[in-house]
Amino acid sequence: AQSVAQPEDQVNVAEGNPLTVKCTYSVSGNPYLFWYVQYPNRGLQFLLKYITGDNLVKGSYGFEAEFNKSQTSFHLKKPSALVSDSALYFCAVIGHGAGSYQLTFGKGTKLSVIP
Amino acid sequence: KAGVTQTPRYLIKTRGQQVTLSCSPISGHRSVSWYQQTPGQGLQFLFEYFSETQRNKGNFPGRFSGRQFSNSRSEMNVSTLELGDSALYLCASSGTNEKLFFGSGTQLSVL
Repeated sequence: AQSVAQPEDQVNVAEGNPLTVKCTYSVSGNPYLFWYVQYPNRGLQFLLKYITGDNLVKGSYGFEAEFNKSQTSFHLKKPSALVSDSALYFCAVIGHGAGSYQLTFGKGTKLSVIP
Repeated sequence: KAGVTQTPRYLIKTRGQQVTLSCSPISGHRSVSWYQQTPGQGLQFLFEYFSETQRNKGNFPGRFSGRQFSNSRSEMNVSTLELGDSALYLCASSGTNEKLFFGSGTQLSVL
C-alpha cells in the first residue's frame, strides 16, 4: 500500500524568506508525486508533479519541488514567500502502474506567511 | 474552458436520509474521481469512474455509491446518512494524463 507523510502540521515563515514544506512517501515501484494547494472553502489546485526526469520540478506560482529517491522525499520549496502563499498544502502519490488515477494524500501542512 | 462544477455547494441533511451529489467534469475529460475531506481523516479516495465504469474504489462502506453517465458527468450517492458523513466532498476530473482538476466541493452537514 502507498502512503504519504507530511511531518509538519504547520509551517510559519516570514514574508520574503525561503520556505520548505516536507513530504516523504512510500510506494511500490516508481512514484508519481504531486503537490496541491487548498485555499479556504475551495477545492485543490495543482502546483506541480514529478513523473520522471529531472529531480527538480518547477511549478505554478514560483514553487518547485525536489525529488530524492534515496530519501523517498519530495519537499516543496519557494525561494521567497508571499503572504498570499498562506494556505493548506497537500503532497500526494500515485503508485506506478496503479491503473487508475487514485491519489493518496498526506494529512496536509498549513503554511502561514507572516508579513 | 470551464472547470469542474459541483452542485450543490452546501447541503444540510438529517441522519437516516440519503443524498445525491453531482459533478460535471471539464469538457473532454473521461475520468472522474471522488474524495472525502474531513478534519480528522484528511483526504480519502472514494472511487474513480472512467467511461461509465468504476475503475477503482476506496475503503468506504456500501452506503457510498456512484455512477457516471455517457457525457462523463458523475453523481455520488450516500444512503442512510450518519453524523460521521459530514464532510467536504470533492470531485476531480482528468484527461489523458494523471493531473487531476478539482471542483470547489460540496459541503455536507448531517444533523
